[in-house]
Amino acid sequence: SQQGEEDPQALSIQEGENATMNCSYKTSINNLQWYRQNSGRGLVHLILIRSNEREKHSGRLRVTLDTSKKSSSLLITASRAADTASYFCATDAYNAGNMLTFGGGTRLMVKP
Amino acid sequence: DAGVIQSPRHEVTEMGQEVTLRCKPISGHDYLFWYRQTMMRGLELLIYFNNNVPIDDSGMPEDRFSAKMPNASFSTLKIQPSEPRDSAVYFCASSPRGQPQHFGDGTRLSIL
Repeated sequence: SQQGEEDPQALSIQEGENATMNCSYKTSINNLQWYRQNSGRGLVHLILIRSNEREKHSGRLRVTLDTSKKSSSLLITASRAADTASYFCATDAYNAGNMLTFGGGTRLMVKP
Repeated sequence: DAGVIQSPRHEVTEMGQEVTLRCKPISGHDYLFWYRQTMMRGLELLIYFNNNVPIDDSGMPEDRFSAKMPNASFSTLKIQPSEPRDSAVYFCASSPRGQPQHFGDGTRLSIL
C-alpha cells in the first residue's frame, strides 16, 4: 500500500508561476524524500528532509515537513517548461532499512 | 559515473514465455531495489537486497516472480511464466545505506 499520497494528482501552470505539491503519509518516518520522473525515464532524487527538520531549500526548490500533521510540501518557484515531469514523495520509515514507500505522484505541466 | 544500468530497455514477448530483466547497480552501493510501475498501481517495491542478500520480498506478486543477486554488480528479476497483467515498467535502483536511491531508466515490458 502507498504510504504517501500526493495532492493534486495533476497540475498545469504557466512558465514563471510557482508550483506547490503536497504529500501526506501515515506512519512515523526517519526522512521524507522528493523525486522527479521525466517521461520514459527513471526517478531522480531532488531533496531529502529529515524528521527533525522543518524546511529545506535547494535552488528553486523548497520543501517543508510537518510531522505533527504527517505532511510535506514541495514548492518549485519560477517554474520552467523543463520542470514538466511527475513528482513523487517517498518516506523512509523507522526500522525499514533503506526501503522507501512512494506516493502516487503529481503530474506537473509547465506551459511555455 | 555510469549510473544504474538496466537491460533490455524494451521487451515484448508472448504470454507463457520466460522473461529476464537485468540490472547493474552503481559500484559501492550495498542496497539494490526492484520496483514495478503501472498506471493503476503506481510504483511498487517488489524486493530489495542488502549486500546481495534478499531482505524483503513481500512485494513480489506471486511465485512466478523471482529475483537473484549473485554478486555486488549484478541482479536479475525473472518472470516465469509471464502473463499479460505483468506488463509494466520495471525499475532497478541502488543506494548506499541511509542515502537516496539512484534509479535506472527501466525496462518497459509488454506481454502479449
